[in-house]
Amino acid sequence: AQSVTQLDSHVSVSEGTPVLLRCNYSSSYSPSLFWYVQHPNKGLQLLLKYTSAATLVKGINGFEAEFKKSETSFHLTKPSAHMSDAAEYFCVVSPLFSGGYNKLIFGAGTRLAVHP
Amino acid sequence: DAGVIQSPRHEVTEMGQEVTLRCKPISGHNSLFWYRQTMMRGLELLIYFNNNVPIDDSGMPEDRFSAKMPNASFSTLKIQPSEPRDSAVYFCASSPRDSQETQYFGPGTRLLVL
Repeated sequence: AQSVTQLDSHVSVSEGTPVLLRCNYSSSYSPSLFWYVQHPNKGLQLLLKYTSAATLVKGINGFEAEFKKSETSFHLTKPSAHMSDAAEYFCVVSPLFSGGYNKLIFGAGTRLAVHP
Repeated sequence: DAGVIQSPRHEVTEMGQEVTLRCKPISGHNSLFWYRQTMMRGLELLIYFNNNVPIDDSGMPEDRFSAKMPNASFSTLKIQPSEPRDSAVYFCASSPRDSQETQYFGPGTRLLVL
């Protein structure tokens, strides 16, 4: 079965410090992987996606993620946190073989708090 | 582009009442998804439409839930009768034919059933 595990339910950082949100996936095949962000009372927005091209993926707002097959990880990073980064972040896997369509399987989410 | 449009944004109703949630996907997108988000269960896919046809409704909780997509620009999710445990945020998402993995989410409808 395909799944994602987000290792931290809450992460708190100071503004200007690095951000690391951890995600491990389980997939029998090479999956597509995504990070989505949800700001309070808003819908989900795609940050970045990995689809078997370059293992280091750059997204919007300075975020990037690295696909490591040996570790089955897809951690999200940002060199310097901004107050506006405070939100909930979802790691998502879309297995290649899922009934013929691109079903997204969401992790439980990591809530990022950014302090002045 | 207006993005995915959902209405209403908030709905408060009493147990037993019928609730209808509406979604307008992004123009040109041919896939539409309905999700439910709760604290306990996170984000769950309820139903998936492709070219207006329901392809996967295995996530629909029970017969009280139904979804339709009468045309490419409109979909509804109906709950009849509603129950307090249906309280959640319901999201609609759409994706384009040439990038079906990338889903664009609407702002959601926050439903409270008293």
